[in-house]
Amino acid sequence: AQSVTQPDIHITVSEGASLELRCNYSYGATPYLFWYVQSPGQGLQLLLKYFSGDTLVQGIKGFEAEFKRSQSSFNLRKPSVHWSDAAEYFCAEAGANNLFFGTGTRLTVIP
Amino acid sequence: ETGVTQTPRHLVMGMTNKKSLKCEQHLGHNAMYWYKQSAKKPLELMFVYSLEERVENNSVPSRFSPECPNSSHLFLHLHTLQPEDSALYLCASSLQGGETQYFGPGTRLLVL
Repeated sequence: AQSVTQPDIHITVSEGASLELRCNYSYGATPYLFWYVQSPGQGLQLLLKYFSGDTLVQGIKGFEAEFKRSQSSFNLRKPSVHWSDAAEYFCAEAGANNLFFGTGTRLTVIP
Repeated sequence: ETGVTQTPRHLVMGMTNKKSLKCEQHLGHNAMYWYKQSAKKPLELMFVYSLEERVENNSVPSRFSPECPNSSHLFLHLHTLQPEDSALYLCASSLQGGETQYFGPGTRLLVL
């Protein structure tokens, strides 16, 4: 069955430090992949997406993600985290009619 | 108004009440979705509509009844809910199924 795995439930980083959130997908030679961010009590906001082409994708708010077919991964990165980045992050892969979401990674930022 | 809107933003209801959640998208999309997000649980897909037809229904109890009268509007009718149905209900839309989804802000539902 198609699934997306986010191994880290909760990550804490210091403000200004670099960040990497992990995501592994299970299906497809040419997957469509997404990262979303959710602030408390809010809906999900699209950060970036990968459909094809360059494996390094730039998104909003200074985020980027790299697609690695050999590792079935699509990890999200940011070189310097800001306090406002504290939120929950969801990785997703497109299915036939829908997106399959991971369970999310909660990011805490320490001043 | 742009994007995906949801009303109400907050709802408190008793187990015998009937209420409806509304979602409206202003993006010209053809597919709409309902999700349930409970504390400490993964995002649960409830219903998918494509071109106003239901294409997916993930074993959702019949006390939840969706309605999609046109491609811009999606409703979730609620009746005789249980306390465990308390959650954030998210609506999303996309151009077609399986493509980039755009989410509304959600309705926070509390069932007493």
